[in-house]
Amino acid sequence: DAEITQSPRHKITETGRQVTLACHQTWNHNNMFWYRQDLGHGLRLIHYSYGVQDTNKGEVSDGYSVSRSNTEDLPLTLESAASSQTSVYFCASSESRGLGTDTQYFGPGTRLTVL
Amino acid sequence: DQQVKQNSPSLSVQEGRISILNCDYTNSMFDYFLWYKKYPAEGPTFLISISSIKDKNEDGRFTVFLNKSAKHLSLHIVPSQPGDSAVYFCAARTRQGGSEKLVFGKGTKLTVNP
Repeated sequence: DAEITQSPRHKITETGRQVTLACHQTWNHNNMFWYRQDLGHGLRLIHYSYGVQDTNKGEVSDGYSVSRSNTEDLPLTLESAASSQTSVYFCASSESRGLGTDTQYFGPGTRLTVL
Repeated sequence: DQQVKQNSPSLSVQEGRISILNCDYTNSMFDYFLWYKKYPAEGPTFLISISSIKDKNEDGRFTVFLNKSAKHLSLHIVPSQPGDSAVYFCAARTRQGGSEKLVFGKGTKLTVNP
């Protein structure tokens, strides 16, 4: 069955370290997204991609970067982790450009703690 | 500036009764609205959506109502079941500068008591 996976599921790191969170989908979806979920904020968009070599900044992109070298993967990198980036991170994918008509499928999430 | 607001952080209802979750928005450019359901330790899952040109969409026990003049939408679950206990997120689509994004509310935690 097609799916979207994230790894690791839990990560503890130290301030200043570089961290990469993996996202892999097997639906062959063009669109992929990264969100973070924090208490009192809901889900906020970090970066998104509409296809290979395409990346775009979302609402809270500072301190994060993504790259899209193939259809299946959109890794999220924290260049220099900060305590404010402690959060639960969700990756999502959808088939085509029309977000409203195309369901976004979410991964199980990665809980990141920055000490 | 919160464009999508879910003012009730939690809601508790009895099994078999109706659950009504509310969502307000401020951006009149939103053209599509979605509800997602999230269980603990899992990613959100899509539940139901509605286009801004409609005022109602129904799917089984779930109905979403949209009142554009009031910039308000609601999700009705009838009858409510204990398995519906989850956090529900309202989301709205915006198209700006050729890009499309979803803006999420903070979520409402629904508890359905047996």
